[in-house]
Amino acid sequence: DQQVKQNSPSLSVQEGRISILNCDYTNSMFDYFLWYKKYPAEGPTFLISISSIKDKNEDGRFTVFLNKSAKHLSLHIVPSQPGDSAVYFCAASAPYNFNKFYFGSGTKLNVKP
Amino acid sequence: GAVVSQHPSWVICKSGTSVKIECRSLDFQATTMFWYRQFPKKSLMLMATSNEGSKATYEQGVEKDKFLINHASLTLSTLTVTSAHPEDSSFYICSARPSSGASYEQYFGPGTRLTVT
Repeated sequence: DQQVKQNSPSLSVQEGRISILNCDYTNSMFDYFLWYKKYPAEGPTFLISISSIKDKNEDGRFTVFLNKSAKHLSLHIVPSQPGDSAVYFCAASAPYNFNKFYFGSGTKLNVKP
Repeated sequence: GAVVSQHPSWVICKSGTSVKIECRSLDFQATTMFWYRQFPKKSLMLMATSNEGSKATYEQGVEKDKFLINHASLTLSTLTVTSAHPEDSSFYICSARPSSGASYEQYFGPGTRLTVT
């Protein structure tokens, strides 16, 4: 039973526009969320995270929004660049258990020049 | 910095044989390493957590006698798939947490594609 879901397997966006990647989770006990970015033939790399005590965290062009009542988080990339083309995974962890992260299945973002 | 390598990157083996996958943290020490498995178009599923010098902690449903994990040093963990079957064919990916890092930190290797014929 997948507790973290990314329902869009792919997303295509024009360069310069906003990319919005979505993630839903089912376990209300999750209290820390992360986004990873993965290029082909490489491992996922950490992008940005957010604690459940916040509803927004921003780092440069990347912003993560958390809606706890809806059990939904999103990653906004603005402006999108061709180098952002990659697979993006969201992940969640339960309290006091950073040894176990639940991952979504990923969304492949294609930013067109 | 924070580079994790895996070897081999892909391997084909026959049913019934065993195959070992290595995970190395190249520029940091990692007390804790993780092994994941990913099926096509599915999420990364944690198989086990290995701690240097102690036994691995396996997730529910993962056979510890089939997936042997050894974390003998602060920079190396190995996963051995014993008596491999075609259903073990998958993408295996490891990650390593720096001993001095934040609790949520983990750096991933590029993964190993295992095909059992």
